[in-house]
Amino acid sequence: AQSVTQPDIHITVSEGASLELRCNYSYGATPYLFWYVQSPGQGLQLLLKYFSGDTLVQGIKGFEAEFKRSQSSFNLRKPSVHWSDAAEYFCAPGGGADGLTFGKGTHLIIQP
Amino acid sequence: GAGVSQSPSNKVTEKGKDVELRCDPISGHTALYWYRQSLGQGLEFLIYFQGNSAPDKSGLPSDRFSAERTGGSVSTLTIQRTQQEDSAVYLCASSFAGGGETQYFGPGTRLLVL
Repeated sequence: AQSVTQPDIHITVSEGASLELRCNYSYGATPYLFWYVQSPGQGLQLLLKYFSGDTLVQGIKGFEAEFKRSQSSFNLRKPSVHWSDAAEYFCAPGGGADGLTFGKGTHLIIQP
Repeated sequence: GAGVSQSPSNKVTEKGKDVELRCDPISGHTALYWYRQSLGQGLEFLIYFQGNSAPDKSGLPSDRFSAERTGGSVSTLTIQRTQQEDSAVYLCASSFAGGGETQYFGPGTRLLVL
């Protein structure tokens, strides 16, 4: 069965500090991999995606993610967070006829 | 419009009533998806359309749920005899094609069943 794990329900980071959000997946084959962000009152917005090729992908708002096949991981990183990054972050492998399988999400809190 | 639109944005209904939720995808997008977001279950995939066809309806939570898409564009998700556990935000997304194409999400319909 397809599954995705985001082990951190909440993460608190000081503004300006670096961030890493973890994501592990279980799939029959390497799936397409996505990170979405959901801010209060906002819809889901794509941050970045991985299909193939370079395992380090760049996204919007200064985010990047690294695909590691051996660890079945696709962790999201940002070198320096801003207060506006406070939101819910979802890792989602999949796509196509099976849709996206969303993790439970990580709630990011930014401390001043 | 430029994005995916959904209507209504909010719906309050009484248990046992039928509701119809509408999704207008981005023009030219052949793939359309429905998801449900609830506190207990998180984000769940419900159904996928390629054109007007939904090859697999097994993701729909029960036989009270049905979905259709006409003209390769607008889609409706219908819930019959609503139950309190149907309360959730129903999200629609569309993509240019299926596969790994980026899915663009609408703002959702917040459904509350009393």
